[in-house]
Amino acid sequence: QSALTQPPSASGSPGQSVTISCTGTSSDVGGYNYVSWYQQHPGKAPKLIIYEVSKRPSGVPDRFSGSKSGNTASLTVSGLQAEDETDFYCSSYAGNNNVVFGGGTKLTVL
Amino acid sequence: QLQLQESGPGLVKPSETLSLTCTVSGGSIITKSYYWGWIRQPPGKGLEWIGTMFYTGVSYYSPSLKSRLTMSVDTSKSQFSLKLTSVTAADTAVYYCTRLGYNDGSGDYWGQGTLVTVSS
Repeated sequence: QSALTQPPSASGSPGQSVTISCTGTSSDVGGYNYVSWYQQHPGKAPKLIIYEVSKRPSGVPDRFSGSKSGNTASLTVSGLQAEDETDFYCSSYAGNNNVVFGGGTKLTVL
Repeated sequence: QLQLQESGPGLVKPSETLSLTCTVSGGSIITKSYYWGWIRQPPGKGLEWIGTMFYTGVSYYSPSLKSRLTMSVDTSKSQFSLKLTSVTAADTAVYYCTRLGYNDGSGDYWGQGTLVTVSS
């Protein structure tokens, strides 16, 4: 199984929206509605912010939203804040109880 | 509040075996709704799924690590473990233990992570 493809970087100004893509195949992203997104601050463990494509765990602001079309999932961060400047990772169920991650995207708030 | 804590040596010599244990507290390791898993992150790089296991001991491993990996669980101690044999410098990483959803594989609780360096 190959890693999911994410852009290495993304950026936006405070208050704006930014969308990060996550491209896989029909064997992972396209085959299941089991895409997750994680936010990771430096030196910290990843934090789950989206699961099952578009669901938010309790406590995650609704500024974070997820979607999927075909083999590509997307994370949109609305109303960008300085604290959003960190790394984001997508993951997908890939069948046979396997999980695959994306390479990560560093979000910069300009 | 569920908590996970990794433990094990921070330095392993090349060709030797990396062994880590994750202790689960604040909740039961015996659950039909979740898997228990390991994920690693080489310094400055992205996340890599290592493997997951059910409390019964049924395990699922990353194809790229399968030949060197063994996971086990001790429900009496609320612990699960991994052993990775024949390690090289490429296995140097922060290793995280996590709880993963049974249906979707999303990790909702994570340990703080432990850095394992492979070096002589």
